[in-house]
Amino acid sequence: SQTIHQWPATLVQPVGSPLSLECTVEGTSNPNLYWYRQAAGRGLQLLFYSVGIGQISSEVPQNLSASRPQDRQFILSSKKLLLSDSGFYLCAWSGDRAQPQHFGDGTRLSIL
Amino acid sequence: RKEVEQDPGPFNVPEGATVAFNCTYSNSASQSFFWYRQDCRKEPKLLMSVYSSGNEDGRFTAQLNRASQYISLLIRDSKLSDSATYLCVVNGQGGKLIFGQGTELSVKP
Repeated sequence: SQTIHQWPATLVQPVGSPLSLECTVEGTSNPNLYWYRQAAGRGLQLLFYSVGIGQISSEVPQNLSASRPQDRQFILSSKKLLLSDSGFYLCAWSGDRAQPQHFGDGTRLSIL
Repeated sequence: RKEVEQDPGPFNVPEGATVAFNCTYSNSASQSFFWYRQDCRKEPKLLMSVYSSGNEDGRFTAQLNRASQYISLLIRDSKLSDSATYLCVVNGQGGKLIFGQGTELSVKP
C-alpha cells in the first residue's frame, strides 16, 4: 500500500532563516505531488504541485520554492522566512489530478 | 463567486442527531467530488467520494446534484467522534482539486 512521509512534524524558526521541508511517497510510481499551507482557522491553500521529476507549478507568488529531485520526493524550501510563512504545511499525493489526494501528517511551522 | 463554497458553521448537534452539509461549486464541468474530514490540528483524510447516483457508507450518505451544482453529506445517528471539520472537494479548471473552507461539526453528549 502507499504511504506518505513528511518531516519534521514541528518546526520553530527565526525570521530570515532558511527552510527545507521534505516529503516522500512509497508504494507508487510517478505520483502527482502537492504542497499546501493552512493558516490557523483557514482553508487549504495550494502552493505547488508536480506531475513529474523537475516539473513544478507554482500557484501563488511567495518567497517559497519547491523541487522534485526524485520521482517520489518533494521538497519545500525558502531562503529567508517571513512571519507570514507560519502555518500548517501539508504534502499530498494522488494518482492523477482528478483522483483524491492523500495527505502526510503535516509540519506545523512557527516563525519567531 | 468562490469555486467551492461551504457554510463554515459551527454546527452544534446532540448525539444521535442527523446533520446535513451542503456545498456548492462553480465549475459546471467538474467531474470529481469528495468529502474529507479534518480533525483539529491534523491532516485532512478522505471520507468518501461522491458518485452521480449518490452513495452511502454506513451512517454517511453523499449526494450530487449536477443541475444545481451542489453536493451534500448526510450524517445519521451522530457520534461524539464525528466532531471535526468536513471539507468539500471538487475538481476545478485544469483538473486540480479545489478544497472548500470546511464546515465545523461539534457533536455534544
